[in-house]
Amino acid sequence: QQPVQSPQAVILREGEDAVINCSSSKALYSVHWYRQKHGEAPVFLMILLKGGEQKGHEKISASFNEKKQQSSLYLTASQLSYSGTYFCGTLGGYGNKLVFGAGTILRVKS
Amino acid sequence: NAGVTQTPKFQVLKTGQSMTLQCAQDMNHNSMYWYRQDPGMGLRLIYYSASEGTTDKGEVPNGYNVSRLNKREFSLRLESAAPSQTSVYFCADRPAGINYGYTFGSGTRLTVV
Repeated sequence: QQPVQSPQAVILREGEDAVINCSSSKALYSVHWYRQKHGEAPVFLMILLKGGEQKGHEKISASFNEKKQQSSLYLTASQLSYSGTYFCGTLGGYGNKLVFGAGTILRVKS
Repeated sequence: NAGVTQTPKFQVLKTGQSMTLQCAQDMNHNSMYWYRQDPGMGLRLIYYSASEGTTDKGEVPNGYNVSRLNKREFSLRLESAAPSQTSVYFCADRPAGINYGYTFGSGTRLTVV
């Protein structure tokens, strides 16, 4: 039931773009995205509730494809501050609570 | 307005010892959660509480107990710590409504030797 994230890790240079994918074997009704910097707590970025929905947060945006049971996080013109581990979360599991993917490590180099 | 506060930040236990991790939120939210985070495994739900006085098991509840005596506090207890419980523990809360994400505390890094 854990959503699958890809890639597991990505290294970028400042200004480059990246896409992180989150897919599920079950129907998706909503997708959360979080970022966690090293040694810190995860921080909520955005939630997508409807198929076809797209949202943005600074130069970070996401889309939700209900039919394909997946969501993608887009990081545009990456900055050093974007480095961290990105997690998607989908409702399911025990008590229909948030189940997190294993995470994607993003490292932005200057 | 501190959000979600966890104590302690670090703890080392010997196998068999017990301890309680404390979590408090000041946003008057009903839903609170305990997750553990291990390398390469993301965050896994231990227990959650939908409201004061109610608790339910999550994915990995074995070896843990929780208590939600009031709306503000949700504690996690390890009765007899084992090395497999070495992990980083996060408490989180969430406002009512589907548009909101989780707010996490700063975490407790627990080592059981």
